Amino acid sequence: NAGVMQNPRHLVRRRGQEARLRCSPMKGHSHVYWYRQLPEEGLKFMVYLQKENIIDESGMPKERFSAEFPKEGPSILRIQQVVRGDSAAYFCASSRGLAVTDTQYFGPGTRLTVL
Amino acid sequence: DQQVKQNSPSLSVQEGRISILNCDYTNSMFDYFLWYKKYPAEGPTFLISISSIKDKNEDGRFTVFLNKSAKHLSLHIVPSQPGDSAVYFCAASDPRGKLIFGQGTELSVKP
Repeated sequence: NAGVMQNPRHLVRRRGQEARLRCSPMKGHSHVYWYRQLPEEGLKFMVYLQKENIIDESGMPKERFSAEFPKEGPSILRIQQVVRGDSAAYFCASSRGLAVTDTQYFGPGTRLTVL
Repeated sequence: DQQVKQNSPSLSVQEGRISILNCDYTNSMFDYFLWYKKYPAEGPTFLISISSIKDKNEDGRFTVFLNKSAKHLSLHIVPSQPGDSAVYFCAASDPRGKLIFGQGTELSVKP
């Protein structure tokens, strides 16, 4: 009964490079959420996706960030031309449905360090 | 604009005593609340939730209380154990399902 899987767990990039973060939801879950935790802060919502659809991207920076959840395969959060301020822990969560009572279960996170 | 606030960044409690973690929110449209526990270098783990139609929900040593008029909720852990030492996040679920988190309270339970 695998939980939410994220890889890589740690990612180091130099300024200007691209970062790709992957998330495989729990079995039976078709809703994926991405959150970011900056140092000394709480988690901040970025984007909510269902298979092949972005439902809510109100928390995504307007530039350089994109997300997808294809019909097959994991959800991908992509950060182009990374800057030092992108250094953070990125968490993915999944849920069975979109009711507020459908609990979101979190993966272990990807810790991105931008040099 | 912090819609969910945890005003105590840290709390220290003796083993066996009660831990009380507090959370305030500003948006009266929120109607579902959750508590997550987080260890370093791990993702948040769901603990307990409460709907706004209730004022209390209990699960073992964990009880969440909701005071809608005060826009306040609290998590009680009794008795506290050293393994409870972690960061606790309060979250509100908005109508579209996204979670809005507080800043977290770091609980330390001392033997």
